[in-house]
Amino acid sequence: GIQVEQSPPDLILQEGANSTLRCNFSDSVNNLQWFHQNPWGQLINLFYIPSGTKQNGRLSATTVATERYSLLYISSSQTTDSGVYFCAVVGSSAGGTSYGKLTFGQGTILTVHP
Amino acid sequence: SAVISQKPSRDICQRGTSLTIQCQVDSQVTMMFWYRQQPGQSLTLIATANQGSEATYESGFVIDKFPISRPNLTFSTLTVSNMSPEDSSIYLCSVRFGDTEAFFGQGTRLTVV
Repeated sequence: GIQVEQSPPDLILQEGANSTLRCNFSDSVNNLQWFHQNPWGQLINLFYIPSGTKQNGRLSATTVATERYSLLYISSSQTTDSGVYFCAVVGSSAGGTSYGKLTFGQGTILTVHP
Repeated sequence: SAVISQKPSRDICQRGTSLTIQCQVDSQVTMMFWYRQQPGQSLTLIATANQGSEATYESGFVIDKFPISRPNLTFSTLTVSNMSPEDSSIYLCSVRFGDTEAFFGQGTRLTVV
């Protein structure tokens, strides 16, 4: 199946700093999403971005599908940005019993200090 | 988008018992998914629940341990059977509308003692 690798695994920032999280995937994808998991375990949808660039406030994301990677940018970080950021994909070749299956990366643990 | 209500939000259970987790969606959806997140780990798909047919389980997960019901297009349950401490995890249900964005419930944090 498709492999998803995220980097860095851990990131520690001071409030106000900017950061870039990376997601590499091993095959072409139909779907790519970025999630933020808060300390209570809830997954918050950040971006649905199988290709192109999107922005939402201080967050933006870019997916270069032909080169099989996606980037999540966080600007002017705040303590509330702390948590785990996951990238998840559905491979284009997924079919049959794997239809619609999201494969998750291992996540980036972000800690923002005041 | 979708509003997904998952119950219970957390529970502490004795080993050997079973827990049923409910997932209710505010609109009809063909496919629902159940994921497990073990402590400090990423999410792993347990099974895909299709209305009107048997659930499709991923490698390493079996129906006897994780029976799933899907009685209609807005509701599903996952049961964790004969629990052991290794089953302590967050369990999440998810939906997708066609080949688009996935949405998740708030999760059920299970601790087995």
